[in-house]
Amino acid sequence: AQSVTQLGSHVSVSEGALVLLRCNYSSSVPPYLFWYVQYPNQGLQLLLKYTSAATLVKGINGFEAEFKKSETSFHLTKPSAHMSDAAEYFCAVSDLGSGNTGKLIFGQGTTLQVKP
Amino acid sequence: DTGVSQDPRHKITKRGQNVTFRCDPISEHNRLYWYRQTLGQGPEFLTYFQNEAQLEKSRLLSDRFSAERPKGSFSTLEIQRTEQGDSAMYLCASSLAAENTEAFFGQGTRLTVV
Repeated sequence: AQSVTQLGSHVSVSEGALVLLRCNYSSSVPPYLFWYVQYPNQGLQLLLKYTSAATLVKGINGFEAEFKKSETSFHLTKPSAHMSDAAEYFCAVSDLGSGNTGKLIFGQGTTLQVKP
Repeated sequence: DTGVSQDPRHKITKRGQNVTFRCDPISEHNRLYWYRQTLGQGPEFLTYFQNEAQLEKSRLLSDRFSAERPKGSFSTLEIQRTEQGDSAMYLCASSLAAENTEAFFGQGTRLTVV
């Protein structure tokens, strides 16, 4: 079985400050991990994905995440927050290996607030 | 390609009525997924299709819910005898059935049952 826990349902940072959104996963098979962003009343947009290649993954809009197997973590970071980063962020795990279904198991989400 | 398209974007219905939502996936994608997202929660998997075959259904998908993908292209999700607890955002996603691919999401249909 797979699951995702996002630590902190709400994170507030100042514009220009470091963004750190935490995600821990549980998976009985090698995990494929994703971060999605959702703006109000919109669908989900993929920020980045880890699929067993490089452990440090770079995504769009300056975001990156590091896969740490020993810590079962996949935290999302961005060096300098912009006002436009304010949104809901979801971490997800999937079984994208051979014989997979590709369905995603999502965390409960973290709302990022960026203060001017 | 315009991405995954969902229709309608918003639906308000009275309790007990039936509703149907449509999803048009990215044209070359053979997998299609439905998720439900309630306020303040992450999306929850409902069901998925590979081509026209419905391969998995979540326990969340009660008997009042039915999904189809008749020709392996667009899909519909019908909810019969709607209840207030059905109020949610219904998200559709599509992908290729291959390793290392990601799902692309539509903008969702927000259902409000009054």
